[in-house]
Amino acid sequence: AQSVTQLGSHVSVSEGALVLLRCNYSSSVPPYLFWYVQYPNQGLQLLLKYTTGATLVKGINGFEAEFKKSETSFHLTKPSAHMSDAAEYFCAVSEGYSTLTFGKGTMLLVSP
Amino acid sequence: DAGVTQSPTHLIKTRGQQVTLRCSPKSGHDTVSWYQQALGQGPQFIFQYYEEEERQRGNFPDRFSGHQFPNYSSELNVNALLLGDSALYLCASSLARGAGYTGELFFGEGSRLTVL
Repeated sequence: AQSVTQLGSHVSVSEGALVLLRCNYSSSVPPYLFWYVQYPNQGLQLLLKYTTGATLVKGINGFEAEFKKSETSFHLTKPSAHMSDAAEYFCAVSEGYSTLTFGKGTMLLVSP
Repeated sequence: DAGVTQSPTHLIKTRGQQVTLRCSPKSGHDTVSWYQQALGQGPQFIFQYYEEEERQRGNFPDRFSGHQFPNYSSELNVNALLLGDSALYLCASSLARGAGYTGELFFGEGSRLTVL
């Protein structure tokens, strides 16, 4: 069975600082990996995804993530945080048929 | 291009009642999935519909049922509501495996159900 672990329920950074949100997964087959963002009282918006090919994937709003098979990780980064990045971030894994298994989420707090 | 739309956006029910939530998928999508997101948690997979049939189901009781119509829209029904059913219910649409398949889900903004 597939699973996702997000380390840290809350991460606090200052505006302009590096953002690093951690995600580790387990999967019995080569996974598809996703990061979604959720703003208060809204649905989920896709930030980026890894399916096959290049292991460093770039997404919207300056975010990127690197798939590391040996570490079963898919950490999300952004070089410089902006106030508008404050939201909850979910890592997810899919083994097929478009069903996703999500982590519990990491709330990103950005201070001025 | 309309995205995934859900209705109603908010609703309040009492224990033991029944509720129906509705979803229209993104244009061109043929697969609809439902997720339950409890407060402070990640979304959990309820079930997925394709070609008007339930294709996969998560670990949810039979009180949760669904339907997909020929136009690909979908309903989620929950019977005998419990307090623990209070959550944000998210609908997601996608393409079935084949040409254009990316595994990506497009989510609606959800229906927030409160059970008193």
